[in-house]
Amino acid sequence: KAGVTQTPRYLIKTRGQQVTLSCSPISGHRSVSWYQQTPGQGLQFLFEYFSETQRNKGNFPGRFSGRQFSNSRSEMNVSTLELGDSALYLCASSPWGNTEAFFGQGTRLTVV
Amino acid sequence: AQSVTQLGSHVSVSEGALVLLRCNYSSSVPPYLFWYVQYPNQGLQLLLKYTSAATLVKGINGFEAEFKKSETSFHLTKPSAHMSDAAEYFCAVKNDTGANSKLTFGKGITLSVRP
Repeated sequence: KAGVTQTPRYLIKTRGQQVTLSCSPISGHRSVSWYQQTPGQGLQFLFEYFSETQRNKGNFPGRFSGRQFSNSRSEMNVSTLELGDSALYLCASSPWGNTEAFFGQGTRLTVV
Repeated sequence: AQSVTQLGSHVSVSEGALVLLRCNYSSSVPPYLFWYVQYPNQGLQLLLKYTSAATLVKGINGFEAEFKKSETSFHLTKPSAHMSDAAEYFCAVKNDTGANSKLTFGKGITLSVRP
């Protein structure tokens, strides 16, 4: 079974631009969550989607948004990029009702 | 509210020595607890999980952890460290498998293994 796939792996953007990151969950998994990892703040929860609906949202500004498609693939978007948005963005998928989350390799975003 | 405390940011052991990484949690309801490992430039890999069954949980790569409710702890151990164990380790807590299923992570501990 293929794991969680995130694309692209690396991205360099300029301040003020916007970016879209993609996540394909494990086949059959309907829940997708996103996390931001930085050296200073560690791993922080961004949001979770289940069956195309956002179920849970972390404490991030409205510049961070996401969506989930009918095939469970998810995208997250960050608008008006700031230097502080430089981070590793991790996507995780879970089957419904399952306890553990399976993570992708992450997308390393660098804002210059 | 849920939280995780991982004491210390760095642990160094000799190859073959015992590995002990500490984790304490705070949760208003019985928790689900996890240990994840992260190698450089990689995502998180699940080592083991506690989901209210046996309190001693065995995971991959020879790691195990014991859930102690009275101490609100879930420490990770491995009897004999290997060079390949050098990585960053995260303890995480989740309170529910339903609508509120986010993971809350500790700050992580970097494990170094000396030859």
